Amino acid sequence: GESVGLHLPTLSVQEGDNSIINCAYSNSASDYFIWYKQESGKGPQFIIDIRSNMDKRQGQRVTVLLNKTVKHLSLQIAATQPGDSAVYFCAETNNAGGTSYGKLTFGQGTILTVHP
Amino acid sequence: GAVVSQHPSWVICKSGTSVKIECRSLDFQATTMFWYRQFPKQSLMLMATSNEGSKATYEQGVEKDKFLINHASLTLSTLTVTSAHPEDSSFYICSASADTSGGLETQYFGPGTRLLVL
Repeated sequence: GESVGLHLPTLSVQEGDNSIINCAYSNSASDYFIWYKQESGKGPQFIIDIRSNMDKRQGQRVTVLLNKTVKHLSLQIAATQPGDSAVYFCAETNNAGGTSYGKLTFGQGTILTVHP
Repeated sequence: GAVVSQHPSWVICKSGTSVKIECRSLDFQATTMFWYRQFPKQSLMLMATSNEGSKATYEQGVEKDKFLINHASLTLSTLTVTSAHPEDSSFYICSASADTSGGLETQYFGPGTRLLVL
């Protein structure tokens, strides 16, 4: 179902540190997962995705890990920069019977603050 | 590639008036577009799924007569908030995907439209 968060979790790191943002999902049928970055007043920006037949995927400075056993997803950002400060959302979807039209269910989001 | 635009970026209107928000896929054809609503400090909530040439599918609790959605072409979907009230004030975001099989295409989001109803 929909995810509505009243108070977003926060993560504060120093510039240059690695950041790890976690996300738990509940639908065991979900088979596609996406991480989005949302800066204040803007729409979500695609970061990286992973399909359920994988447990790790790497991009530029980012890595997504998927643990289907415990229904957990994480986003690792290497050498975090002040420009990485934003709200990060995980999203999940599944193609149940081909009728879902790719509907995404969003996690509650995590506020990442990077201090210079 | 995969750029989605929205217009207007922000709008202020009086209570009781209607507001139309446009969502365009600029460099690809989107058979499916999605409309979300986001309140401050909260996650995105899906309002409806819009398929080109057919009626939109609304999520539970979303009034279809209040939030009119039209997806007349493969690059344009519109959301009209009818008889807007202050509680409709929110950040409205659209997204677009190009998948034709209802599968796992990534959604690309527009920049959002901030609506303030006085």
